[in-house]
Amino acid sequence: NAGVTQTPKFQVLKTGQSMTLQCAQDMNHEYMSWYRQDPGMGLRLIHYSVGAGITDQGEVPNGYNVSRSTTEDFPLRLLSAAPSQTSVYFCASSYRDRVQYEQYFGPGTRLTVT
Amino acid sequence: AQSVSQHNHHVILSEAASLELGCNYSYGGTVNLFWYVQYPGQHLQLLLKYFSGDPLVKGIKGFEAEFIKSKFSFNLRKPSVQWSDTAEYFCAVYHAGNNRKLIWGLGTSLAVNP
Repeated sequence: NAGVTQTPKFQVLKTGQSMTLQCAQDMNHEYMSWYRQDPGMGLRLIHYSVGAGITDQGEVPNGYNVSRSTTEDFPLRLLSAAPSQTSVYFCASSYRDRVQYEQYFGPGTRLTVT
Repeated sequence: AQSVSQHNHHVILSEAASLELGCNYSYGGTVNLFWYVQYPGQHLQLLLKYFSGDPLVKGIKGFEAEFIKSKFSFNLRKPSVQWSDTAEYFCAVYHAGNNRKLIWGLGTSLAVNP
């Protein structure tokens, strides 16, 4: 049971490039979410999904796209990277009816946009 | 808007000192409360949680937290900190009216000097 996995761990992009951050979980969790963590700003929700085929926006969705074609995977796409997207990105998952109980986090992806 | 306030942004203690980190939330209904911890270079993990019952909850590594409903508070405590407690601590609140999303505090950075 690997839990929540994220790839890559580190990434450097140039402004305007696109890329996809991968997130997968093997716990059969319905609920998955993406956060970004910035100094002094805590965790901010980017997008979330309550099940395959269903996604919704969080607090800071601009510049990011998500899709949820399977229960296991929830990739985050940066369409045209900007320096403001330099951050640490965390994926999290939980059971749909138990998101209020506990979220499981991945190890994070540290992204730098130059 | 619902919010979670962590009053201490940076705390520096010596080993064996006592710790109390403040957390207040703004929602007046039924809530579930969490403290998460992020050790340097690691992902967030659950420290402890409160759903109902005894307002004094105990978590891992000797941490405890007390829910005081009248004060909308959920402060984290540890009688004697260790160097290994150096981490960032996040308070989070869930209530059913928030569309299954956790509301996060901005975090408190704790540094414990040996």
